[in-house]
Amino acid sequence: ETGVTQSPTHLIKTRGQQVTLRCSSQSGHNTVSWYQQALGQGPQFIFQYYREEENGRGNFPPRFSGLQFPNYSSELNVNALELDDSALYLCASSSSDRAYEQYFGPGTRLTVT
Amino acid sequence: DQQVKQNSPSLSVQEGRISILNCDYTNSMFDYFLWYKKYPAEGPTFLISISSIKDKNEDGRFTVFLNKSAKHLSLHIVPSQPGDSAVYFCAASQGDMRFGAGTRLTVKP
Repeated sequence: ETGVTQSPTHLIKTRGQQVTLRCSSQSGHNTVSWYQQALGQGPQFIFQYYREEENGRGNFPPRFSGLQFPNYSSELNVNALELDDSALYLCASSSSDRAYEQYFGPGTRLTVT
Repeated sequence: DQQVKQNSPSLSVQEGRISILNCDYTNSMFDYFLWYKKYPAEGPTFLISISSIKDKNEDGRFTVFLNKSAKHLSLHIVPSQPGDSAVYFCAASQGDMRFGAGTRLTVKP
């Protein structure tokens, strides 16, 4: 059984640029959620995708957008990067029958300068 | 708007003793509660969960207690082992998941 993987591991971007982060779900999982974790805080929910449709969204602006593909992998896109976007971005997958039990990837550390 | 709070940023216990991690929440609509463990450079790992219709769930050394009237959740680890040293996150869900800020547990040999 393959776990959740994310790429890249680390990324440095300049304010105003755009970034795309990628996630591959654990096999058998059809739901993907994205979280932002700032230093010293818990993960904050960005949005969730199920069957390629957005299935819930947290308190993040529209410049945070996502996609889910037919193989259940997913992308998180962030436009017009701001300094406060610097954080660890976590992807989690789950199955629709046990949606609460989410399995996390190792995260992508984004630094915006 | 912090709906899930872990008021103790750190906890240190001796190996073999009980570790008790606490969590408070404000939203009575949460219907599922979970604990995650996180090691450095890894994503959070699911540990144990409990539905709002229960007050206790046990899995080996780990037991989660839910007190809905007090809006309080706790995780008991008995006996604690050095390998349990990690950051523990409490989470609550009513669709989307809300996390606490975490408690760093250190188990000393």
